[in-house]
Amino acid sequence: DGGITQSPKYLFRKEGQNVTLSCEQNLNHDAMYWYRQDPGQGLRLIYYSQIVNDFQKGDIAEGYSVSREKKESFPLTVTSAQKNPTAFYLCASSEGLSTEAFFGQGTRLTVV
Amino acid sequence: SQQGEEDPQALSIQEGENATMNCSYKTSINNLQWYRQNSGRGLVHLILIRSNEREKHSGRLRVTLDTSKKSSSLLITASRAADTASYFCATFGGYQKVTFGTGTKLQVIP
Repeated sequence: DGGITQSPKYLFRKEGQNVTLSCEQNLNHDAMYWYRQDPGQGLRLIYYSQIVNDFQKGDIAEGYSVSREKKESFPLTVTSAQKNPTAFYLCASSEGLSTEAFFGQGTRLTVV
Repeated sequence: SQQGEEDPQALSIQEGENATMNCSYKTSINNLQWYRQNSGRGLVHLILIRSNEREKHSGRLRVTLDTSKKSSSLLITASRAADTASYFCATFGGYQKVTFGTGTKLQVIP
């Protein structure tokens, strides 16, 4: 089945640690995105990528980093520089930047 | 900053009634999309309306777009308990960055 997979579903991190969230898609989509969602809030764009080896900062990129070495994969690293990392993180992909986006089921990150 | 703003923030209706949600945005767009999110899950795409379209239907969903007022509405007819979810509008504009609103939380009471 085609789809987009995020792992893990739940992640706990100690303060000061970096952590990497996985996002894989087998939809052959060029564009991929990372969003952050806080309770009762909408989605805020962290990073997006239009094509392999290229990515752009979104509205809240500080404290985060990404890579796009393969078309299928767009991992997000939450660094220790991110002051308030506890949130629900959503990955998405689409054929192009203006087309229908397909979302993963999300990763809930908690800093303990 | 949020491009789309949904209204109302929360809506509670009886099963069988219609639910209407509105979305306002600030800049020009190529298209506007509506998504649904069940609690703690990813978003599911519902419908896409292009900037040159005024109305679009999909099953029990009806979406309108008024580019002069920079607003869109989503109507769910004959609502069901399973429609209970949060609904988000997303705008796709010149920089091709999709921007989501804060959502409308819909509760359909059986």
